[in-house]
Amino acid sequence: QVQLQESGPGLVKPSETLSLICRVSGGSISTYYWSWIRQPAGKGLEWIGRMYIRGSTDYNPSLKSRVTMSLDTSKNHFSLTLSSMTAADTAVYYCARDRGVGAAIDSWGQGTLVTVSS
Amino acid sequence: DIQMTQSPSSLSASVGDRVTITCRASQSISTYLNWYQQKPGKAPKLLIFGASSLQSGVPSRFSGSGSGTDFTLTINSLQPEDFGTYFCQQSYSTSTTFGQGTRLEIK
Repeated sequence: QVQLQESGPGLVKPSETLSLICRVSGGSISTYYWSWIRQPAGKGLEWIGRMYIRGSTDYNPSLKSRVTMSLDTSKNHFSLTLSSMTAADTAVYYCARDRGVGAAIDSWGQGTLVTVSS
Repeated sequence: DIQMTQSPSSLSASVGDRVTITCRASQSISTYLNWYQQKPGKAPKLLIFGASSLQSGVPSRFSGSGSGTDFTLTINSLQPEDFGTYFCQQSYSTSTTFGQGTRLEIK
């Protein structure tokens, strides 16, 4: 059974860049799609983007100018960078296994809280 | 973006009740609709995919139906562990979107 674990800084200053890593165990990241989703406290889920081993990516249009995702097959992990952070980006960030367009997100990490504050 | 609207936003029901949550898409999404359950402080859990297919390990009291723009999640014989927030998600478009959530409280 695949397991995902997010890691990264819990606190980011305004205007800085967030970098998160998702380590995958129990399965290879060379298959399936891999997504990032975030959830502000007490609010709903916002999909950030997904990527596939062949380098294809899909990003949320509202975040596209600030998002970069990448995969590291040697470490079996994938990463997210989100630039120009503001207080509005404060949220729990989840990494997840995404079956792709037309399918579902079937495995999630536990989530990591990122707070944007000076 | 395709907008997903859930109703109600919250509800309270008793053990043994039948509960229905609806999700409406702003355009037709065929049956590319998934349902998730989220408990406080936890990640969402996939319940239903493809509008009506039960994810492995999910109790059979959960069921989904619908196509096009209107979808329903039904919980038959509500159990105490079914409290939480339920989200629908459309996977029709490249940019997936979620409903705002329905909070279910057990009376």
